[in-house]
Amino acid sequence: GAGVSQSPRYKVTKRGQDVALRCDPISGHVSLYWYRQALGQGPEFLTYFNYEAQQDKSGLPNDRFSAERPEGSISTLTIQRTEQRDSAMYRCASSLALTNTGELFFGEGSRLTVL
Amino acid sequence: DAKTTQPNSMESNEEEPVHLPCNHSTISGTDYIHWYRQLPSQGPEYVIHGLTSNVNNRMASLAIAEDRKSSTLILHRATLRDAAVYYCILRDVIVSGTYKYIFGTGTRLKVLA
Repeated sequence: GAGVSQSPRYKVTKRGQDVALRCDPISGHVSLYWYRQALGQGPEFLTYFNYEAQQDKSGLPNDRFSAERPEGSISTLTIQRTEQRDSAMYRCASSLALTNTGELFFGEGSRLTVL
Repeated sequence: DAKTTQPNSMESNEEEPVHLPCNHSTISGTDYIHWYRQLPSQGPEYVIHGLTSNVNNRMASLAIAEDRKSSTLILHRATLRDAAVYYCILRDVIVSGTYKYIFGTGTRLKVLA
């Protein structure tokens, strides 16, 4: 596609349910990043992939959060046993990487609300 | 992670230049300085980046101090559409060829008509 696509755009779930957020990066982009953004705050780094390899997951808050990118393209961020504090905008970004530019292209985000 | 420090907010009059400062005193020799902005209800978008020399593009200019411990994003003529949160980021090299971008809280720019 022309840009980074995220789905769903909005997700409301009950506490304790699992959710899966999907990111479809720009075709050909090697690197994929997940961020979480609370209202009024800057994006908080969660994890990062080059191709299918997860290069850094130091930002994942706890073991309820996981991410995968099995074929080096689409990525899924999964939150198990959701809690109210998980409510936020989850943003995905991709970049060509391996270049000095490394410009990130962000998607529209997935807004998660945990009741 | 390399850190940046920016003022929480700034104001500018429309049609006037805006200088947005950023301090990054712990910058390493391989860190690129990136600027992104986030318009209301949108994802961040790339503005400009540089390493050592000043840079210009259609959106803005980036002035980098000689010691690289600070930089300034310059919007030459602010418009109402430039009202956004501006983030100064150091691209952190994890290992060769892999990077991560750590956003701070940014500077909220208000443009007055």
